[in-house]
Amino acid sequence: DAGVIQSPRHEVTEMGQEVTLRCKPISGHDYLFWYRQTMMRGLELLIYFNNNVPIDDSGMPEDRFSAKMPNASFSTLKIQPSEPRDSAVYFCASSRGGRETQYFGPGTRLLVL
Amino acid sequence: GESVGLHLPTLSVQEGDNSIINCAYSNSASDYFIWYKQESGKGPQFIIDIRSNMDKRQGQRVTVLLNKTVKHLSLQIAATQPGDSAVYFCAEFLWSSASKIIFGSGTRLSIRP
Repeated sequence: DAGVIQSPRHEVTEMGQEVTLRCKPISGHDYLFWYRQTMMRGLELLIYFNNNVPIDDSGMPEDRFSAKMPNASFSTLKIQPSEPRDSAVYFCASSRGGRETQYFGPGTRLLVL
Repeated sequence: GESVGLHLPTLSVQEGDNSIINCAYSNSASDYFIWYKQESGKGPQFIIDIRSNMDKRQGQRVTVLLNKTVKHLSLQIAATQPGDSAVYFCAEFLWSSASKIIFGSGTRLSIRP
């Protein structure tokens, strides 16, 4: 298996622009997680899905952030409009069960100017 | 609030020596713990896990110890190698939370030649 796949790996955009991050979980994993990592706040869980349904989005910073999972093999995290404080590395992870090991993708490094 | 923290933010170890990375957790209801390794530019990678009904678990060159009395977790790496250089995170699952992991702030392990 190729592991969790994320795209793009790097994204540079200007404040106010829409940003879409993509994730393909490991096949057969029922849970998908979106995390944000910054030096100041470490790893933060933004939202997670079970069987394509959002379960907990309490970590989503504000209405500018939205996430979808239209099918078992694809999820997006969208920021609209983006702001400089959104600059971070965004990770997607998946797991076979809710209380199982989470496998992380390589991350998307986002820079908002 | 509930939190997972690390005693030492950085650790420098001579190549070939054993490394011990410590972690304190605050929630006695946590019942599952994971150690992750994150190399520069990559996502966190699973190393080893332990459930609360155990106090020790061994893997290849790594051992995790759990002391529930003092809510302490440690990761021991035997014969540390240059490839062990990374940031190490402990993470906990709360019994009350179906799938949310709380990550610690991380310890950077550097290897002296």
